[in-house]
Amino acid sequence: GEDVEQSLFLSVREGDSSVINCTYTDSSSTYLYWYKQEPGAGLQLLTYIFSNMDMKQDQRLTVLLNKKDKHLSLRIADTQTGDSAIYFCAESPYGQNFVFGPGTRLSVLP
Amino acid sequence: KAGVTQTPRYLIKTRGQQVTLSCSPISGHRSVSWYQQTPGQGLQFLFEYFSETQRNKGNFPGRFSGRQFSNSRSEMNVSTLELGDSALYLCASSLEGPGRELFFGEGSRLTVL
Repeated sequence: GEDVEQSLFLSVREGDSSVINCTYTDSSSTYLYWYKQEPGAGLQLLTYIFSNMDMKQDQRLTVLLNKKDKHLSLRIADTQTGDSAIYFCAESPYGQNFVFGPGTRLSVLP
Repeated sequence: KAGVTQTPRYLIKTRGQQVTLSCSPISGHRSVSWYQQTPGQGLQFLFEYFSETQRNKGNFPGRFSGRQFSNSRSEMNVSTLELGDSALYLCASSLEGPGRELFFGEGSRLTVL
């Protein structure tokens, strides 16, 4: 079955880069996603990557995909206190519902 | 364009009661999915509706049910509430097609006493 894994916590200093890692299992997933959840709110899509890409950059966000190892990472450059949130990796196997990881709680220290 | 609206935002029930949660998707979105979020289990998929039909179902007991109306609005119902049903229930709507984005509501936080 599908399973998405992430480390649960990450703490960085303001201005540093954050790297959040994720592993997934379903090779049929065409798209892989990163969502952000701030306290008291629903999830918001940050970015997604098509499975035939290795990298996608969007302003401070860089997504790297290693399809062979089924490994996805999200790098946030110049991390700010406003980036403190829970980040979810998700895969969407063909024809099936989204499967979310447990979420990584990012804490940004001043 | 209005986002996904979930009501009520907060509610408290006691064991054995039932609850109905409502979700109004973004206009034009025909797919509505429901998720249960708890600290211990993370985001668990409940079910997905598309054009009034349940398209996918997660691994939850039959006490959890849902439906979708012709205007794409959806409701989920939990009967015979248990303490473990305390959670944030999230609804998400989307368009169809590859690379679809789920748009989430802010959730309904249910506390079962």
